[in-house]
Amino acid sequence: DIQMTQSPSSLSASVGDRVTITCRANQGIVNYLAWYQQKPGKVPQVLIFGASTLQSGVPSRFSGSGSGTDFTLTISSLQPEDVATYYCQNYNTAPLSFGGGTKVEIK
Amino acid sequence: EVQLVQSGAEVKKPGESLKISCQVSGFTFTSYWIAWVRQMPGKGLEWMGIIYPGDSDSRYSPSFQGQVTMSVDTSISTAYLHWSSLKASDTAIYYCARPATTYRPYYYMDVWGKGTTVTVSS
Repeated sequence: DIQMTQSPSSLSASVGDRVTITCRANQGIVNYLAWYQQKPGKVPQVLIFGASTLQSGVPSRFSGSGSGTDFTLTISSLQPEDVATYYCQNYNTAPLSFGGGTKVEIK
Repeated sequence: EVQLVQSGAEVKKPGESLKISCQVSGFTFTSYWIAWVRQMPGKGLEWMGIIYPGDSDSRYSPSFQGQVTMSVDTSISTAYLHWSSLKASDTAIYYCARPATTYRPYYYMDVWGKGTTVTVSS
């Protein structure tokens, strides 16, 4: 099974800061990597798929990069509404697997 | 509008059985796989498995194989997740979700139900 490791597990940043979250797979998954945002008490929503393709309707301050085993989610200018937990997901190989999550808070 | 409407919260005792549902609308039920995802209290997301309503082909994560059963009723466009004997450790939110493509089961999920909260306590 593919294990997804996210770092950091949590972070606190100021409004307007650039935020970077990393996700590493223990074996190559090409670019079959999605990022989800889950706001407190809400349903997960996909932000990025194919490692770098922005889902329709997602603000352009979100971006993704990487391929193979190492991936990054970047928020270019953190906004208050971005407070959430972010998960990466491998969808290259079953069983699909999620990273442990990164909780993003405002400082 | 594409929707996955899940059944309401459940409170059960250990050893009891349970079936929760996920009724779809806005797309052809038999063309898309339906996945189930678990979120234990305060924890992350876990992919449980996926079922194809077209022929009930089911794929389970090894972690959930034998612990739950997925099924469908195509006459009412509904997918189910069933436990025969619940444990306290089954306490969680269970989401159904739809992969963003009809071409493969293993894909990112672009439509999610609101989740069903299952509480198992004596």
